[in-house]
Amino acid sequence: GAVVSQHPSRVICKSGTSVKIECRSLDFQATTMFWYRQFPKKSLMLMATSNEGSKATYEQGVEKDKFLINHASLTLSTLTVTSAHPEDSSFYICSARDSGKPGQSYEQYFGPGTRLTVT
Amino acid sequence: QKEVEQDPGPLSVPEGAIVSLNCTYSNSAFQYFMWYRQYSRKGPELLMYTYSSGNKEDGRFTAQVDKSSKYISLFIRDSQPSDSATYLCAMSMDTGRRALTFGSGTRLQVQP
Repeated sequence: GAVVSQHPSRVICKSGTSVKIECRSLDFQATTMFWYRQFPKKSLMLMATSNEGSKATYEQGVEKDKFLINHASLTLSTLTVTSAHPEDSSFYICSARDSGKPGQSYEQYFGPGTRLTVT
Repeated sequence: QKEVEQDPGPLSVPEGAIVSLNCTYSNSAFQYFMWYRQYSRKGPELLMYTYSSGNKEDGRFTAQVDKSSKYISLFIRDSQPSDSATYLCAMSMDTGRRALTFGSGTRLQVQP
């Protein structure tokens, strides 16, 4: 149980285009999902907290107009990188909390990540 | 000063060795402590979690938390080549909607 999927696993796009990454909780409901970014040999940096049915909460320094987050259902959050540039190339990872386990809400289940390369 | 400090390694040990991984933190409000394992180009997977101070054992893994010293450890006994990965410590203040704060990760290599 507690599986989180991400799609696509890898994407290459041209500078100036937009890319959408999907994060799905497959066997549980998640009112809260998180989007992280990870550079090579570095830790996960939280970008934003995605809340089902409401606006995402962005971390300081993360441009909300560039990284659009939509959490339209209890099992799906999307991250759209708009007008992508080479510096946006990174490994993007989402995680989700199981809404059905409030006593264990500190646990986060991670997706396998999406490697974005902007050329 | 980072909120969570973790030696990036790499840490190279022979198969069968006992591995000790550590993190220190500065925020005394952290209550939940976790260790994640991340294989190359994969998402992290939860290994252990501990609430407040104390020890927790699960198979070959033991997690220790010393809140007075703001220091947490993960021990791996009888290490295997399949344990080669990056180990990330993570912490959370409460059971609310807060995200986790991660250490930078320690890369472990277990030599056969």
